[in-house]
Amino acid sequence: QSALTQPASVSGSPGQSITISCTGTSSDVGRYNYVSWYQQHPGKAPKVIIYDVNIRPSGVSDRFSGSKSGNTASLTISGLLPEDEADYYCDSFTGSMYVFGTGTKVTVL
Amino acid sequence: EVQVVQSGAEVKNPGESLKISCQGSGDTFSNYWIGWVRQMPGKGLEWMGLFYFSNSATPYSPSFQGQVSISGDKSISTAYLQWSSLKASDSAMYYCAATRDGNFRWDYWGQGTLVSVSS
Repeated sequence: QSALTQPASVSGSPGQSITISCTGTSSDVGRYNYVSWYQQHPGKAPKVIIYDVNIRPSGVSDRFSGSKSGNTASLTISGLLPEDEADYYCDSFTGSMYVFGTGTKVTVL
Repeated sequence: EVQVVQSGAEVKNPGESLKISCQGSGDTFSNYWIGWVRQMPGKGLEWMGLFYFSNSATPYSPSFQGQVSISGDKSISTAYLQWSSLKASDSAMYYCAATRDGNFRWDYWGQGTLVSVSS
């Protein structure tokens, strides 16, 4: 299984919106509605911020939203805040395992 | 509240064996999956394999099949990741994560175990 493809970096100014893409195949992202997104700050464990394509866990800001079309999932962060600066990873169920995306570093300018 | 706690950092020589652990608490873990994730220095997250406490099922990612061994002890809600002969390239942070069976997201994460392999 190859890693899902994400842009290496995305940046935006405070208050702006950014979108991170996550491209897989018909065997993972395209086949299952079990795409999650994880936020990881330096030196910290990942934290789930979106699951099942577009569901936010309790306590996660509604500035985070997810979607999917075909083999590509997307994470949108609206109203960018300084604390959103982190690495973001998508993740998809593959039938018996999971596969992460390559990761995207979000920089708040 | 569900918590997942990993064993401490390890410093090993090449060729040595190692077993690190991941213990859950705060719920009945017989219906939980534990996943192991590698993060090499400055790199991304990689799934290594899973362990299901209910029936000891252990699917592995193809890249890690035969390279590591995953096991668990349901009686103490603890999963293990084991190497028989470490290499310098095994130096990384290893995270475990937990999810209830039927969920497809990883809600609970351990603090990570740093493994350093050097002669």
